Parts: sequence; structure tokens; C-alpha cells
Amino acid sequence: GQQLNQSPQSMFIQEGEDVSMNCTSSSIFNTWLWYKQDPGEGPVLLIALYKAGELTSNGRLTAQFGITRKDSFLNISASIPSDVGIYFCAGRGGPDMRFGAGTRLTVKP
Amino acid sequence: ETGVTQTPRHLVMGMTNKKSLKCEQHLGHNAMYWYKQSAKKPLELMFVYSLEERVENNSVPSRFSPECPNSSHLFLHLHTLQPEDSALYLCASSQDSYSNQPQHFGDGTRLSIL
Repeated sequence: GQQLNQSPQSMFIQEGEDVSMNCTSSSIFNTWLWYKQDPGEGPVLLIALYKAGELTSNGRLTAQFGITRKDSFLNISASIPSDVGIYFCAGRGGPDMRFGAGTRLTVKP
Repeated sequence: ETGVTQTPRHLVMGMTNKKSLKCEQHLGHNAMYWYKQSAKKPLELMFVYSLEERVENNSVPSRFSPECPNSSHLFLHLHTLQPEDSALYLCASSQDSYSNQPQHFGDGTRLSIL
């Protein structure tokens, strides 16, 4: 089925830097979700977006639901070592849910 | 604690063995899912159950057999698996299978086929 294009695939940043990642699709979604997965654990929901144009924050994380409903971005401000992990986007349109391949974030102290 | 518990966390089995993965959710959700996660690939949806009825089966080989005895429990029975089936198997649940409510994941079972 249709998968999401998530970029970048990996990022190596210095502690304190800001991070931005995004997902695009050729399909329209009604919901955009961002998850984080730590090694040895399952994905944990970070932010859920339900309306086109919606901008939502969760601490240092900010995500937006694109106006076209075909894209979303996630920003992390002032990164810290515990931000390390794999970040996944997911788009949901009713019963259909698609995932990006993930962005692997490495934060150097 | 996500409210979705999977056991075992790790499983090593031979190709001729039979084993089962278990998932239990404590969130009062009505839909449950099995996903396969392989390295550097998007999550692959395997099965969807809504109110204990299977609503989706994404062309999964018959050596994987799901079972949902009630809305809180989901099993994945494994038989005669292949080496390429080695992966992290994730269970998830959501309020229902048709709305836009997010899915909540367990920590997965890391499966290795010898």
C-alpha cells in the first residue's frame, strides 16, 4: 500500500541544536501522528494532529498538519541526549493507517 | 507504561517449532492490531481486529495465525516460520478501527528464527 515519504532518514546533531523532520504523501489523511521509538521498546505517541493547518506543541516538540493534508512536520527545539531514538510519522484516513520509514536521531553531548 | 503489554519480549525458535505471541491491552479499546517491524522498513500491518472480528488481513502467510478471544487479548500463533520472519512484532490498540483515533503500541516481541 501507499507508504509515507519521511525525511531525513538520519540526523546527527549537537546537543542544544534544533531538529526538523517531515513526512509527505500523495494521499490525503485525516490525522497525522508522530511517534518516538527507543531501542528495545515500542513506538510511543508524541503528538496527534486532527485538522489541516493545526499546530500543536508537546514540551520542546512542535508538529503541524499541512494545509494540503498531504504532509506534516515535527520540530524539536534545544535537543538533549534523551531525544535519541527513531521518530515515525503516521497518517490515518479512517481505517487506513500508513507509516513513514523513520528518522533516526543521534544527539552528541 | 503504554497500557499495551506483550509477552514474551524475546523469542528464539527453530523453523519447525510452534509458539504464540500474546498481547493484552488495558485501555478499554475495541480494535487491536499486529504489525511486523523489520530494520529500516516502515511498519507492516499484518492483522486488524475490531470487537474480536478480523477486519483486515494484509496477505500474510498462513504460517501466522491470529486469534482474538476478546477485545482485550490478541494472540499471534506461529508455525513453521522462515528466517526472513525474524523481526520485531508489535501489537497496538485503538478506540476503534475506523475513526482517526491514534494507535497505542506495546513494546514488541523480538523474534529470531534459527
